[in-house]
Amino acid sequence: SQQGEEDPQALSIQEGENATMNCSYKTSINNLQWYRQNSGRGLVHLILIRSNEREKHSGRLRVTLDTSKKSSSLLITASRAADTASYFCAPQGGKLIFGQGTELSVKP
Amino acid sequence: GAVVSQHPSWVICKSGTSVKIECRSLDFQATTMFWYRQFPKQSLMLMATSNEGSKATYEQGVEKDKFLINHASLTLSTLTVTSAHPEDSSFYICSASIAGGSYNEQFFGPGTRLTVL
Repeated sequence: SQQGEEDPQALSIQEGENATMNCSYKTSINNLQWYRQNSGRGLVHLILIRSNEREKHSGRLRVTLDTSKKSSSLLITASRAADTASYFCAPQGGKLIFGQGTELSVKP
Repeated sequence: GAVVSQHPSWVICKSGTSVKIECRSLDFQATTMFWYRQFPKQSLMLMATSNEGSKATYEQGVEKDKFLINHASLTLSTLTVTSAHPEDSSFYICSASIAGGSYNEQFFGPGTRLTVL
């Protein structure tokens, strides 16, 4: 198991702007997942990217994975106030271990 | 599909009492369920992995006698916090993997907020 480290810890943007969050990890992975958590709620699975994939899209979400740099990024385009939440990456080579997350605030 | 529920969604109890939290997979069978704990402004910490019909595997530092886990069926796992104390106040979240699957995708419940007075 291993932990992902998200960066930045907090991000505040205006509605309509893009939000980029980064994740770094230490050892080899099978896949990497991104989750969203609204305050006081459970996690919502956003996207899974496998170790042999470099980029994946889902709606306004774009995830990249660079296994040589052991890093991933999550881009949310045209952000909305409803995107305000904490975002976690979970690099997986076994059990899911979550990092501290990025707290995104989208101001209307 | 792949819905996980938890009950109760929140609970307040007195110090020294025990609290049971249920985690159910509503529309799929889950051979493996996971229990996490989350303190305010912190990440989720894996407490234990629960496999149907066998004893749970606890993470280092988690007291198995204090956090009793039962996974008696493919759709239900329970976490009992025994002799709860204020420091056990936290947000407890379960997740479930589909039977026959792997760790690849877990489906998370909405969480249970425990407050111990």
